[in-house]
Amino acid sequence: QQQVKQSPQSLIVQKGGISIINCAYENTAFDYFPWYQQFPGKGPALLIAIRPDVSEKKEGRFTISFNKSAKQFSLHIMDSQPGDSATYFCAASSMFNNDMRFGAGTRLTVKP
Amino acid sequence: DTGVSQNPRHKITKRGQNVTFRCDPISEHNRLYWYRQTLGQGPEFLTYFQNEAQLEKSRLLSDRFSAERPKGSFSTLEIQRTEQGDSAMYLCASSLSRGNQPQHFGDGTRLSIL
Repeated sequence: QQQVKQSPQSLIVQKGGISIINCAYENTAFDYFPWYQQFPGKGPALLIAIRPDVSEKKEGRFTISFNKSAKQFSLHIMDSQPGDSATYFCAASSMFNNDMRFGAGTRLTVKP
Repeated sequence: DTGVSQNPRHKITKRGQNVTFRCDPISEHNRLYWYRQTLGQGPEFLTYFQNEAQLEKSRLLSDRFSAERPKGSFSTLEIQRTEQGDSAMYLCASSLSRGNQPQHFGDGTRLSIL
């Protein structure tokens, strides 16, 4: 079922550093790529999303970079804070299939 | 701000029992999705409704699973004759139906099978 591969599985970053999480997809029909943040005991919360007509989208400290030819996209968290410590999931979906496919997640720890 | 609400938050039951979960989506959202999430994994799609119509079901959704959304508002997910492998977090999400829209998740129901 997995059509979205996410790396790394876990990431430890110092406060103020940059966190980078990568995802690769297979299905060229995918046309919507969100990132979700999940804290323990909570559901995934939408963080930021991109469509393939742009190569980058920035919202505050969070940036998605998208490479359509390589079928890859990544999340960059600038000035990482301890409160950013959570599990991050990339996902992909298309207008033709309503089942969103998720990566396996990256557990981010930001050390103070 | 009323988000997606799921009840119960936790359910512990014995193997072989039936369980039912409820999801109340964001009021103006006419799409509703069910996902299953096991420890250390991303959510896996189970099924999806557009209003009251169940339009898609994953192969993960065995015959023991049934979902309904009778009036196009809240939805229920029932698991009959529960098995150990059903232990997971069951997540509900909702979205608008114009094109590809963001899905907003509830906090899930954690099911534990004894």
